[in-house]
Amino acid sequence: AQKITQTQPGMFVQEKEAVTLDCTYDTSDPSYGLFWYKQPSSGEMIFLIYQGSYDQQNATEGRYSLNFQKARKSANLVISASQLGDSAMYFCAMRETFNNNDMRFGAGTRLTVKP
Amino acid sequence: NAGVMQNPRHLVRRRGQEARLRCSPMKGHSHVYWYRQLPEEGLKFMVYLQKENIIDESGMPKERFSAEFPKEGPSILRIQQVVRGDSAAYFCASSPQGATVNQPQHFGDGTRLSIL
Repeated sequence: AQKITQTQPGMFVQEKEAVTLDCTYDTSDPSYGLFWYKQPSSGEMIFLIYQGSYDQQNATEGRYSLNFQKARKSANLVISASQLGDSAMYFCAMRETFNNNDMRFGAGTRLTVKP
Repeated sequence: NAGVMQNPRHLVRRRGQEARLRCSPMKGHSHVYWYRQLPEEGLKFMVYLQKENIIDESGMPKERFSAEFPKEGPSILRIQQVVRGDSAAYFCASSPQGATVNQPQHFGDGTRLSIL
């Protein structure tokens, strides 16, 4: 069964605007963690932001914030004031308590920032 | 990246040869994870190791693939008798403790394996 779903294969955003990348997940575990990673064209995986299932507030890290809607099982990434360097693949991932040996990744969203 | 070292960065092999991918975890980390990324896909878990122990290999293909993390030295992902379908990016990640849900995994830059 698909644990992490990213429905947007590709997204475009104008420089300096905000963009939301969607992520929904499926788990029966009450304790889990949600992560977003950025993969630029050079290929490395860069950790961006984390949200715990019991966190009361949405996570923020600089221009990145996570719109966490637990009842909907969604954890959308919001990038504010987009920059050209934000063009990359973005992956949503989850780690569950009862199966926490690995992270489950979505298929990714390719974000292109237009000048 | 956060200090996980993988080498080589690129590896080219002919069908039937062996591929060895190396991963040195971040300093102080004793847990290593290997993932495979096919083109235009997300990462797929392969194996989780601690020093001298394989903890979870549920994502490893049953044949030709093996992994080790010796007491000294890097973790090695070994692919014997490579086939074209093994062409992928292989990522290693490490963490300092047992897997916990609130810890991100820090990835190396990956090894791009190409099979001719």
